[in-house]
Amino acid sequence: DAKTTQPPSMDCAEGRAANLPCNHSTISGNEYVYWYRQIHSQGPQYIIHGLKNNETNEMASLIITEDRKSSTLILPHATLRDTAVYYCIVRVAHTGANSKLTFGKGITLSVRP
Amino acid sequence: DSGVTQTPKHLITATGQRVTLRCSPRSGDLSVYWYQQSLDQGLQFLIQYYNGEERAKGNILERFSAQQFPDLHSELNLSSLELGDSALYFCASSTRIGGTDTQYFGPGTRLTVL
Repeated sequence: DAKTTQPPSMDCAEGRAANLPCNHSTISGNEYVYWYRQIHSQGPQYIIHGLKNNETNEMASLIITEDRKSSTLILPHATLRDTAVYYCIVRVAHTGANSKLTFGKGITLSVRP
Repeated sequence: DSGVTQTPKHLITATGQRVTLRCSPRSGDLSVYWYQQSLDQGLQFLIQYYNGEERAKGNILERFSAQQFPDLHSELNLSSLELGDSALYFCASSTRIGGTDTQYFGPGTRLTVL
């Protein structure tokens, strides 16, 4: 079972920031928060991950609360091409036997013109 | 482009048949994961290989098998196909850099069983 909870959908206007929330109240100390997205039926695309500090890359920012029980993915300037299903996943960050990704239903982000 | 390649892109076959899906991981990646995405089940982990050896199994049917070859490419074999096996099959590869590893997905193979 997925260990994260995400609202089923949200929308935002093109050019505005999209803030996608995720709850992971049972996260363990050695588990990272990963975000992937899937555009239509393409392969899931890695976005960003973090352990406890906030992270930023060219795609997005990840804000993790101090107690690590929730996080927010921020797309600073959403475009129509960001319309996708976004998955928040917690997992250990190694290639061992328990390193699979467990996908939930994700959140469908619709970016409107 | 993730660097992970999968062939074929589409496969249409009949019930009872056997097919082989192929995955080439990113250069240098030692781990290969297979996932199935069907309409009713979402994305589900099937199996993981690491440097040629099976490392973890998920919800993989006994009719399905996989292997990873010395050149690190992997194949997923599906036999005695049923209508319910129609799905998207993705592979992902990863390698550990520093303290973390990240999985990168291929474009998938869409299997249709008629």
